[in-house]
Amino acid sequence: GAVVSQHPSWVICKSGTSVKIECRSLDFQATTMFWYRQFPKQSLMLMATSNEGSKATYEQGVEKDKFLINHASLTLSTLTVTSAHPEDSSFYICSATLGGLEDTQYFGPGTRLTVL
Amino acid sequence: RKEVEQDPGPFNVPEGATVAFNCTYSNSASQSFFWYRQDCRKEPKLLMSVYSSGNEDGRFTAQLNRASQYISLLIRDSKLSDSATYLCVVNMPSFQKLVFGTGTRLLVSP
Repeated sequence: GAVVSQHPSWVICKSGTSVKIECRSLDFQATTMFWYRQFPKQSLMLMATSNEGSKATYEQGVEKDKFLINHASLTLSTLTVTSAHPEDSSFYICSATLGGLEDTQYFGPGTRLTVL
Repeated sequence: RKEVEQDPGPFNVPEGATVAFNCTYSNSASQSFFWYRQDCRKEPKLLMSVYSSGNEDGRFTAQLNRASQYISLLIRDSKLSDSATYLCVVNMPSFQKLVFGTGTRLLVSP
């Protein structure tokens, strides 16, 4: 149980285009989903916390207009990287919890984004 | 001071060895602690939660020292498949988020 999927698993795009990444909880309803970014040899950095039906809470330094998050249902959250640039190339990982921050976070397999 | 600090390693050990990792955290109000394992270019996977009384899961033992604000992970009888990066994760209650350490890399050789 507690499986989280992400799509696509990898994407290569041209600079200036937008990329949408989906995060789905397959066998449970996720009240809260998290979006992380991980650059090579660095730690996971939380970008935003997403609660179903409400606006995402972004971490300091993360541009909400560039990284659009939509959590329209209890099983789906999307992250759209708008007008992507090479510096946005990274490993984007989502996670989901059953409820509340104290619950274990179940991670998706990640999406590797390369912006040319 | 970083919120969560780990020795990046790598720790190079032979099969069968016992290896221990430590992690320190800065927020004394933290209540939840975890060890995750991350393989190269993969997502983190929960290895174990860390409880105040210490807990063991097979070859893995986790301990928490609240007074000194550190967490440890002990791996006994290392296997080749234990080679990975081990992430120390701590919750930051005042900010309602989990913070990940940079990870400690373990390489187990034959």
